Amino acid sequence: SYELTQPPSVSVSPGQTARITCSGDVLPKKYAYWYQQKSGQAPVLVIYEDNKRPSGIPERFSGSNSGTMATLTVKGAQVEDEGDYYCYSTDSSDKQRVFGGGTKLTVL
Amino acid sequence: QVTMRESGPALVKPTQSLSLTCTFSGFSLTARGTCVGWIRQSPGKALEWIAVIDWEDGKYYNPSLKTRVTIAKDTSKNQVVLKMTNVDPVDTATYYCARNGEGISGYFYFDDWGQGTLVTVSS
Repeated sequence: SYELTQPPSVSVSPGQTARITCSGDVLPKKYAYWYQQKSGQAPVLVIYEDNKRPSGIPERFSGSNSGTMATLTVKGAQVEDEGDYYCYSTDSSDKQRVFGGGTKLTVL
Repeated sequence: QVTMRESGPALVKPTQSLSLTCTFSGFSLTARGTCVGWIRQSPGKALEWIAVIDWEDGKYYNPSLKTRVTIAKDTSKNQVVLKMTNVDPVDTATYYCARNGEGISGYFYFDDWGQGTLVTVSS
């Protein structure tokens, strides 16, 4: 079955830029999405269709998708951005939805 | 305003069946392009997509769970039910239901999530 691969953890200091990657063979043909999940809470969509931000999501969150890798960038990361981030996409048939393994972002 | 709420047993014994209900408001599952899905998260683990059902009663399942899971909708009650057979302790997880998003790819992703319900499988 289709898989999306993320690094287990990323750590930055406040104000620095955090980049979280997600690799998948079908990403050149499919959109990537990103969810933020804080401890004990439901996931929240922060990027959809590769690079679009839902309303209410700060401008410091951005996304890109090139080749087999999608990237979530948090420019000027803040302590409140700490949490787990999951990439998400579909397989080539669009019948299977897939989450990446998640990346823990630490800002300190 | 869209709301999603999961309900079901907190504790289930191994080999038993599990039934979870997602009750939603603020939209209709008869509207073209609308889907409701189930996602779970075992303690300390990643999100795992389970199944999704759409407005035309199209149903799609995670291949790894397909033989044990069934999804169904009751549009008159604004509910989606997930049934899982022969549960095992590895099925212990928080189970979320979610509605799909909007835009050109809205059918394929989830935007509005419930708070989740924790199900423990233990004897």
